[in-house]
Amino acid sequence: AQTVTQSQPEMSVQEAETVTLSCTYDTSESDYYLFWYKQPPSRQMILVIRQEAYKQQNATENRFSVNFQKAAKSFSLKISDSQLGDAAMYFCAYFRGDDKIIFGKGTRLHILP
Amino acid sequence: KAGVTQTPRYLIKTRGQQVTLSCSPISGHRSVSWYQQTPGQGLQFLFEYFSETQRNKGNFPGRFSGRQFSNSRSEMNVSTLELGDSALYLCASSPREGRVKTQYFGPGTRLLVL
Repeated sequence: AQTVTQSQPEMSVQEAETVTLSCTYDTSESDYYLFWYKQPPSRQMILVIRQEAYKQQNATENRFSVNFQKAAKSFSLKISDSQLGDAAMYFCAYFRGDDKIIFGKGTRLHILP
Repeated sequence: KAGVTQTPRYLIKTRGQQVTLSCSPISGHRSVSWYQQTPGQGLQFLFEYFSETQRNKGNFPGRFSGRQFSNSRSEMNVSTLELGDSALYLCASSPREGRVKTQYFGPGTRLLVL
C-alpha cells in the first residue's frame, strides 16, 4: 500500500529566509502525481504545487519549488523568501490517477517575524 | 470559475441523529471526493464519486454513505452520529480526465456532535 511520510511535525523559519519541508513516499507504481497542499487557519486546503512523476524537471511556482527524487521516493518543498502568510499546515500528497489521494500527517510551519 | 462549495459550513448535531452534507464541484469537474479531517487521524479518505458511480471507498463504517447527482453535485450522509464523527469534512473535485488529476478542495463543513 502506498504511504506518505512527513517526518517534521513542526518547523519554524525566520521571515525572508528559506525553508525546506520533507516528504517521502512509498509506491511500486511508475506513473503518479505528487502534491503539496497548504492549510492555513481558515482550514481551506490550497494547492501549492504539483509534480507529475513522468516529468523529470522539478516543478516551480513563484517562491515555491520542489526537489523531486523519483528513485529515492522523495518530494521536498522549498519555500524561498518566507512570508508571514506562509504560516500554515503543509500536507504532502500522493495520487495515482485511478485511486484515492493519500496525505501525509502534515508539517506545521511557523514564520517568525 | 467558481470554486468548490460546501454547505453547510458549520453544523451541530446530537448523538444518534443523522446529517447530510452537500458539495458542488467546480464546473466541468465530474469527480468528487470526500475526506474526514480530525486532529488525531489527520486526513482520511471517505469515498469518491465519478459520473454518479462510487469509484473508491475508504475504511469507514456503513453509517457513512454518499451519492452523486447528474449535475456532479454530491451529498454525504452520516447516520446514527457518534461523538467521534466530530470533524472537518472536506470535499474535493477533479476533472479526472486526461492527465489533469489535481484535486481542488472546498472550504469544508465543520461538524460537531454533542
